[in-house]
Amino acid sequence: NAGVTQTPKFRILKIGQSMTLQCTQDMNHNYMYWYRQDPGMGLKLIYYSVGAGITDKGEVPNGYNVSRSTTEDFPLRLELAAPSQTSVYFCASSPLGVNQPQHFGDGTRLSIL
Amino acid sequence: GQNIDQPTEMTATEGAIVQINCTYQTSGFNGLFWYQQHAGEAPTFLSYNVLDGLEEKGRFSSFLSRSKGYSYLLLKELQMKDSASYLCAVRGSSGTYKYIFGTGTRLKVLA
Repeated sequence: NAGVTQTPKFRILKIGQSMTLQCTQDMNHNYMYWYRQDPGMGLKLIYYSVGAGITDKGEVPNGYNVSRSTTEDFPLRLELAAPSQTSVYFCASSPLGVNQPQHFGDGTRLSIL
Repeated sequence: GQNIDQPTEMTATEGAIVQINCTYQTSGFNGLFWYQQHAGEAPTFLSYNVLDGLEEKGRFSSFLSRSKGYSYLLLKELQMKDSASYLCAVRGSSGTYKYIFGTGTRLKVLA
């Protein structure tokens, strides 16, 4: 089982560049999430989706955009990269059910220079 | 506001027992999760509590008191591989699918 797959694993961007972080899951989960994790910190929710065509903002959405055209895919877009967006980005998914845990991808380590 | 507090770092000896505390203040409560995260890796699920009391899973147990906004994760018979960060996360009100994470507790297990 692939689970949650994130690409790329590492990326270095210049200030002002744009990029899309890819996330796909093969578990048919309804819910998908994007988090960022800064060094020594917990996870901050950027955006989440409860199903195809439905997305909503989390705690730290500024500078990011998402889309959810299919159940499987939930890409995260950075339009104008800034040094403050240097972080590790995790995508997660979970099935229906209040007691269902989130399944995380391996993360994308992004540096903005 | 919404807040989850955990100690930043703890140290314990191999074979010992350690308790990692988590206190929370959230608008609504629909369950508390504990995750383990090794350095450079993704978080993995450990336990879930929604009712008051203790949930036991092998060497790991988790306790919840909703009235006190308090949970703890208990790790028994510590092993070197238990050196990791432990994240407490609360799911908010019914109908929301958002989770709030604490900053995590870094546990170092010494030989």
